[in-house]
Amino acid sequence: AQSVAQPEDQVNVAEGNPLTVKCTYSVSGNPYLFWYVQYPNRGLQFLLKYITGDNLVKGSYGFEAEFNKSQTSFHLKKPSALVSDSALYFCAVRDFSGGYQKVTFGTGTKLQVIP
Amino acid sequence: DTGVSQNPRHKITKRGQNVTFRCDPISEHNRLYWYRQTLGQGPEFLTYFQNEAQLEKSRLLSDRFSAERPKGSFSTLEIQRTEQGDSAMYLCASSSPWERTDTQYFGPGTRLTVL
Repeated sequence: AQSVAQPEDQVNVAEGNPLTVKCTYSVSGNPYLFWYVQYPNRGLQFLLKYITGDNLVKGSYGFEAEFNKSQTSFHLKKPSALVSDSALYFCAVRDFSGGYQKVTFGTGTKLQVIP
Repeated sequence: DTGVSQNPRHKITKRGQNVTFRCDPISEHNRLYWYRQTLGQGPEFLTYFQNEAQLEKSRLLSDRFSAERPKGSFSTLEIQRTEQGDSAMYLCASSSPWERTDTQYFGPGTRLTVL
């Protein structure tokens, strides 16, 4: 069964500092990996995805993510955090091995950017 | 492209009542998904439609839950005889048939509170 793990419930970072939100995955086939952001009382907004190719994926709002196959990780990064980046971040994985293209979400990481 | 819309945004009901939620996907998207999200958790898959066909249902979807997409456009999710444990955010997402990765785009959600 496919799964993702977000080992940190919360990440605190000072405004202007680089940020990393961690995600590891487990799938039986080749993964499609996603990051979504959720602001309070809102739905999820798509940030970026990894399909194949370059291990560094660039997405919306200056975010990027690094795919590492050997470590089965897909960490979200941003060079300089903004207060407005404070939100809940979800990693998700999709594989096609089960026929139906199921997406499984992690439990989320709350990012707090401190002014 | 007006995005995925969901109505109502909030619903408060008494235990035992029936509730129905509506989701309008992005217009050209033929795939539609329902998720449930409880506090501190990531979205959990409930069901999936391709056009009007319901192709997958989670074991989370008990017999009190039913979803329809009669004309392959909007979808409804009905919960009969609501229980306090049904209190959650219900999220709808849609994806395009033309995109290989089936990236899902989410609506704002319907927050259900069962008293």
